Amino acid sequence: GDSVTQMEGPVTLSEEAFLTINCTYTATGYPSLFWYVQYPGEGLQLLLKATKADDKGSNKGFEATYRKETTSFHLEKGSVQVSDSAVYFCALSGPGTASKLTFGTGTRLQVTL
Amino acid sequence: SQTIHQWPATLVQPVGSPLSLECTVEGTSNPNLYWYRQAAGRGLQLLFYSVGIGQISSEVPQNLSASRPQDRQFILSSKKLLLSDSGFYLCAWSWGRFTGELFFGEGSRLTVL
Repeated sequence: GDSVTQMEGPVTLSEEAFLTINCTYTATGYPSLFWYVQYPGEGLQLLLKATKADDKGSNKGFEATYRKETTSFHLEKGSVQVSDSAVYFCALSGPGTASKLTFGTGTRLQVTL
Repeated sequence: SQTIHQWPATLVQPVGSPLSLECTVEGTSNPNLYWYRQAAGRGLQLLFYSVGIGQISSEVPQNLSASRPQDRQFILSSKKLLLSDSGFYLCAWSWGRFTGELFFGEGSRLTVL
């Protein structure tokens, strides 16, 4: 079945550092890919998405590119802020999975001054 | 605008007792509804989803059940809780025409003693 693998956290960075959170997937066909973010004390919210190969999703300075050849969707940000501290979830929706998302285990990011 | 309400926010229950978590969505009609469980190190696990009244898909065999008695109401239940049922339960909704974006409630933390 479909699955998502994320790098384990926590990831601790200093403010203004470069961020990469790795995400790879296994799916039949061509899924849509997503990054969700969960800020402390809040529910999850969609951060960005890409629906086909080579698409780049972007939002709030974060970017991720759908790489079919490596089955990856790594999240990047050029300069993180303390306010980016959160848990980040990679997710996919497979073409045959009808209205549901499969999530990865989440990666906690802690940004310090 | 659409809102999602989930309650109770916190619940402490003895082993063997029943469970009822409720979720309602306002401001839309015929949404897809979901129950996820979030456990440390295991990410978000989809438990149930529903694309319409009385239509429930179960993703994980367990002693939990779900019901959708009304279009915008989704209930998670158990007749007898197990210790392993402890966790953080999240309700979510999406548009009937699924785009991959889920809108999450604030969650219910269940502790089974």
